[in-house]
Amino acid sequence: NAGVTQTPKFRILKIGQSMTLQCAQDMNHNYMYWYRQDPGMGLKLIYYSVGAGITDKGEVPNGYNVSRSTTEDFPLRLELAAPSQTSVYFCASSFEAGTTYGYTFGSGTRLTVV
Amino acid sequence: TQLLEQSPQFLSIQEGENLTVYCNSSSVFSSLQWYRQEPGEGPVLLVTVVTGGEVKKLKRLTFQFGDARKDSSLHITAAQPGDTGLYLCAGAGGGGKLIFGQGTELSVKP
Repeated sequence: NAGVTQTPKFRILKIGQSMTLQCAQDMNHNYMYWYRQDPGMGLKLIYYSVGAGITDKGEVPNGYNVSRSTTEDFPLRLELAAPSQTSVYFCASSFEAGTTYGYTFGSGTRLTVV
Repeated sequence: TQLLEQSPQFLSIQEGENLTVYCNSSSVFSSLQWYRQEPGEGPVLLVTVVTGGEVKKLKRLTFQFGDARKDSSLHITAAQPGDTGLYLCAGAGGGGKLIFGQGTELSVKP
């Protein structure tokens, strides 16, 4: 039972480069989320999706884009990497809105922009 | 904007001690969750509390939801080194999305 799988685990980008963080879940969850985690700041919501074809901005969406073409996959795209995007990124999914049964998180992608 | 404030931010204790972590807000939440996160991993759900005044126990961990549903606490009895980690509270905000506190980093030394 894989749950939520994120790739890559680690990545170093140069300023201005682009990359896609991959996220896949095998639990048939409709809701998926992308968070970033910075030391002492908790988790900040970047984007979320309530189903295939539907995405919406979270608290800190600038510099990121997402798409949701299937229930299983929810990739996060960084177009022009900046040092401020150095962070640990977590993908999560939930059966309903997550307010009762909670979120299932992936193990994260640690991104450094230099 | 709904915010959750956790205290303390850091806690270092000896094995066997008791501790309490607090999660406070000026907003009302329909439910509140506690997660634990270990280094290099994502958060894992410990408990969800829904009713004001609700108390839930998970072995040595006791979770309480405030009567007004604006605050919560996590109490650990006789802490063990295996309890070490980052503890996050999360409230169900507008639109059903979770809002996370900034976390409490707990270190339990043998």
